[in-house]
Amino acid sequence: SSELTQDPAVSVALGQTVRITCQGDSLRSYYASWYQQKPGQAPVLVIYGKNNRPSGIPDRFSGSSSGNTASLTITGAQAEDEADYYCNSRDSSGNHGVFGGGTKLTVL
Amino acid sequence: EVQLVESGGGLVQPGGSLRLSCAASGFTFSSYWMSWVRQAPGKGLEWVANIKQDGSEKYYVDSVKGRFTISRDNAKNSLYLQMNSLRAEDTAVYYCAREYIAVAGYYYYYMDVWGKGTTVTVSS
Repeated sequence: SSELTQDPAVSVALGQTVRITCQGDSLRSYYASWYQQKPGQAPVLVIYGKNNRPSGIPDRFSGSSSGNTASLTITGAQAEDEADYYCNSRDSSGNHGVFGGGTKLTVL
Repeated sequence: EVQLVESGGGLVQPGGSLRLSCAASGFTFSSYWMSWVRQAPGKGLEWVANIKQDGSEKYYVDSVKGRFTISRDNAKNSLYLQMNSLRAEDTAVYYCAREYIAVAGYYYYYMDVWGKGTTVTVSS
């Protein structure tokens, strides 16, 4: 089983705000990174570090962290944000990568 | 342009072997940890293995230990995954990804560059 836990599915009305969470012991030491994956495509990094967005990622994407829980927030969700979202960090040993099970976001 | 291009996937019988390659360009390959990540059909992402910049450290997910070997050739800007004793459950799209890790109080860890993936199918 994954050492990072995500809700399997979340839905949000168009233009509203949605939060996707990720829990795991390693998140007490590591900032989670977040990836968006659309069908048939490779994952794309959307949030890393405390709350950093790679170039080209809209500012409606933001990240936060508290204790063993990391969150990805989309403020004003758009239809094109419908995708699978994965959190990622290294595990508690610090040597192995680990992904959450993924959250399927539906924009209604 | 920063780019990773995987190759070497295909159809292989159970128990067979396959070697995946990942060609890097547009960045100093020898400066980064590198990872292989896979995704079985209809499933989530699974980290498979990673390797330190100079190849001195390698780590694997338990399910592939003893069967898969990650390696790199910094002179050729290339990452490899030798896969032996393949099983049906190894069927997946395999991605190579560039890792970044740093520490400033908390650890920063992320995979910022990904290839498009290569498909491995293990079936008789």
